[in-house]
Amino acid sequence: AQRVTQPEKLLSVFKGAPVELKCNYSYSGSPELFWYVQYSRQRLQLLLRHISRESIKGFTADLNKGETSFHLKKPFAQEEDSAMYYCALRKGGAQKLVFGQGTRLTINP
Amino acid sequence: NAGVTQTPKFRILKIGQSMTLQCTQDMNHNYMYWYRQDPGMGLKLIYYSVGAGITDKGEVPNGYNVSRSTTEDFPLRLELAAPSQTSVYFCASKGNGRATGELFFGEGSRLTVL
Repeated sequence: AQRVTQPEKLLSVFKGAPVELKCNYSYSGSPELFWYVQYSRQRLQLLLRHISRESIKGFTADLNKGETSFHLKKPFAQEEDSAMYYCALRKGGAQKLVFGQGTRLTINP
Repeated sequence: NAGVTQTPKFRILKIGQSMTLQCTQDMNHNYMYWYRQDPGMGLKLIYYSVGAGITDKGEVPNGYNVSRSTTEDFPLRLELAAPSQTSVYFCASKGNGRATGELFFGEGSRLTVL
């Protein structure tokens, strides 16, 4: 069965510092990976997906099939990046997403 | 745009009571989901539906029931509430194309069972 692991429950960095939220997955096929974000008092929403290969709010994530990882990165963290981040996987053709445990990111001023 | 609407936002139940969490979406999405969010455990899928009249179990279905009589509504019923069901519940929907992976979430319903 597919599994998503986010090894850090909490991550705290200073404003302006680089940030990397780790995500590893286990799935033998061709997965589709996502990052979802939940800001304070807002609903959970899609941040980015690997097939788009886009940068959203300065965040990027590259799917590394060799290392089965999909880490989320931003070179210069901003205070408004403080939120709960979830990595999610959808196996090819499936209609369900499997979520990781989540990482709470805090950006200190 | 309302999107996905959940009610109630908060509820306290006594052990053994029953209740229904309501979820409705106005995007004509076929796919709908119920997740629970527990601290440090992430989101766990309870039940999902691929269309009206069709539902299926997720990872943690015990203690819950669902129905999908219309495309818009996907209520989650808790029978005989237990403290282990204290959680935040999220309803979500997804677009109809098989290639569409994005979920649209409701605001969540915080349930406490005492």
